[in-house]
Amino acid sequence: DVKVTQSSRYLVKRTGEKVFLECVQDMDHENMFWYRQDPGLGLRLIYFSYDVKMKEKGDIPEGYSVSREKKERFSLILESASTNQTSMYLCASSQSPGNTIYFGEGSWLTVV
Amino acid sequence: GNSVTQMEGPVTLSEEAFLTINCTYTATGYPSLFWYVQYPGEGLQLLLKATKADDKGSNKGFEATYRKETTSFHLEKGSVQVSDSAVYFCALKASSGSARQLTFGSGTQLTVLP
Repeated sequence: DVKVTQSSRYLVKRTGEKVFLECVQDMDHENMFWYRQDPGLGLRLIYFSYDVKMKEKGDIPEGYSVSREKKERFSLILESASTNQTSMYLCASSQSPGNTIYFGEGSWLTVV
Repeated sequence: GNSVTQMEGPVTLSEEAFLTINCTYTATGYPSLFWYVQYPGEGLQLLLKATKADDKGSNKGFEATYRKETTSFHLEKGSVQVSDSAVYFCALKASSGSARQLTFGSGTQLTVLP
C-alpha cells in the first residue's frame, strides 16, 4: 500500500513564526502536492512538485513556499504564519503518468 | 475550465437506508473520475474510480458509474452503516495536461444514525 506520512498531526504556532510541515511518501512517486482544506471551500491546491527541485504554484500559493530536495520528501513552509493560515493541510502524491492521488492523514495547524 | 458540482449536504440517513450523492462535472476530453472519503479527523482515502465512459467503480458496497452522456458520477450504496459517516468528495482528473489538474467538489457530509 502507498503510504504518505505527515510528520505532525496537530500544531499550534504563534503569529509571525516560521512553520515547517513535512511530508514523506514511500512509493517513489514523481508528483507531490500540498492542499489546504477549509469548511465550505473544499480542497485548494497550494503547491505541486513534479520532480526533485521542481515546483509549480497552485491556486493559493501566497504566504507559502515549498521545498523538494529529495524525491520522497516535500515540505511546506509558512515564512511568517498568520491567523488566516489556520487550517488543515493535506499532503498527497501520485505516480506519473497516473491518475490516482494518495493522501496523508492531514496536519491541523492553529495559528494564534 | 474543469469543475465538479456535488450535492450539497449535510445528508442524514438512518442505518440500512439507500444512499445517493450526486456529482456532475464539466471537462473537456475524457477525464478520470474519483470518489474520495474522509473519516473524522483523517485525510482523504480513495474510495473508487472510473477511467472511461460506462465504467463502474465499486468498493465497500459503494458504486458509481461514469455517465458521459449526462456528465455524472453519482455515488450509491444500497444499505448504509453508521461507520459510513464521513465526508465524500467527488473529483476529476483531466485527460490532458499536468498531474496538478485534479479538481475536487466541495464535499458532502454524510451522517448515518443507528
